[in-house]
Amino acid sequence: AQKITQTQPGMFVQEKEAVTLDCTYDTSDPSYGLFWYKQPSSGEMIFLIYQGSYDQQNATEGRYSLNFQKARKSANLVISASQLGDSAMYFCAMREDYGGATNKLIFGTGTLLAVQP
Amino acid sequence: NAGVTQTPKFRILKIGQSMTLQCAQDMNHNYMYWYRQDPGMGLKLIYYSVGAGITDKGEVPNGYNVSRSTTEDFPLRLELAAPSQTSVYFCASSEGSTSGRTSSYEQYFGPGTRLTVT
Repeated sequence: AQKITQTQPGMFVQEKEAVTLDCTYDTSDPSYGLFWYKQPSSGEMIFLIYQGSYDQQNATEGRYSLNFQKARKSANLVISASQLGDSAMYFCAMREDYGGATNKLIFGTGTLLAVQP
Repeated sequence: NAGVTQTPKFRILKIGQSMTLQCAQDMNHNYMYWYRQDPGMGLKLIYYSVGAGITDKGEVPNGYNVSRSTTEDFPLRLELAAPSQTSVYFCASSEGSTSGRTSSYEQYFGPGTRLTVT
């Protein structure tokens, strides 16, 4: 079974609009972390935002927020006021904390976001 | 700080050749990782290390070997290259803690090595 599922292979959004990128996860570990990374066309991986399983509040970092719904096992990324520079591939990833602190990440297959002027 | 550096950036190998992908970090991170990214896919963990002298297999270790003799360096060795190893390889590092999970311990990635095996 897929541990991280990103069902949107591609998304379009108009500049200045908000967009939500979906991510669902599967784990039986009570302690875990969820991450979003951005990969522009240049190829590097850029950390955007983190949510811990015990965090009560949804994480926010500037224009990025993480809509964490624990019961539904979803961790959607919301980008507000999209900019042309937001066009990139976005990956959701999960860290499971059982078995020791290795920080290993499991990645989804990504969503390619295109911001249109 | 240079962060995580990888060399080479690009490489073409013939089937059966061997090579070492270099990775170094200057953030004094204990944890280091090697991932591969196939076209249109997410990253898959090849090997990881939680400290000098300690390495372990990830999800797709076959055809690769690693060593970790220093905190800074984590080279990945490809023996007998095969076309299935054509991919982009990323090295990453993170802080780590064995007590509590109150921090993100996000991974910092190098720029990647694009490898083609023909």
